[in-house]
Amino acid sequence: SAVISQKPSRDICQRGTSLTIQCQVDSQVTMMFWYRQQPGQSLTLIATANQGSEATYESGFVIDKFPISRPNLTFSTLTVSNMSPEDSSIYLCSVEDEGSSYEQYFGPGTRLTVT
Amino acid sequence: ILNVEQSPQSLHVQEGDSTNFTCSFPSSNFYALHWYRWETAKSPEALFVMTLNGDEKKKGRISATLNTKEGYSYLYIKGSQPEDSATYLCAPLNFGNEKLTFGTGTRLTIIP
Repeated sequence: SAVISQKPSRDICQRGTSLTIQCQVDSQVTMMFWYRQQPGQSLTLIATANQGSEATYESGFVIDKFPISRPNLTFSTLTVSNMSPEDSSIYLCSVEDEGSSYEQYFGPGTRLTVT
Repeated sequence: ILNVEQSPQSLHVQEGDSTNFTCSFPSSNFYALHWYRWETAKSPEALFVMTLNGDEKKKGRISATLNTKEGYSYLYIKGSQPEDSATYLCAPLNFGNEKLTFGTGTRLTIIP
């Protein structure tokens, strides 16, 4: 199994600002994902972070709002841009176990509050 | 986008009692079903990956069953303990869409 760390673990930000969340994995992985969970909602996939190319965004999410970097196979960042209170969520990165039926390992999450 | 429903949304159970909850999902093009446990301030942790109709998996006091024809899975916890308090998430996978679609979860609280 992979060990995943995220920074920061939590933050309180003002509307209109941006926050970059970092995700570090202890081994090289092909598939890395970013999710969010808004209060009372399900865990929702934002995008797949692709190494060496642009991220693949799910319906309802765009690169301008959630730019993602994936410079190598162990690291990725997600930026939440021009934040509004609706962006208050838990943001998680995950990686896929390449030997299993798409089982994923998750980071501890970043709890973001936008005021 | 798959329609995944979990019930109940929340549940309070006395320590020592057994409990169960449900995950419903579309049965067409089914490939696999994942169960995760998410404790507060921790990472979601994989419990089971189930693929075959009639499958039953067990890990300690927790077990799960799968019915792919009617599109549901049950998670059972026997003799609940305070450490079982968590949100339990299910996520099905379909052929042609190899991304997890999570339900809203069942929030379980064990009362000592």
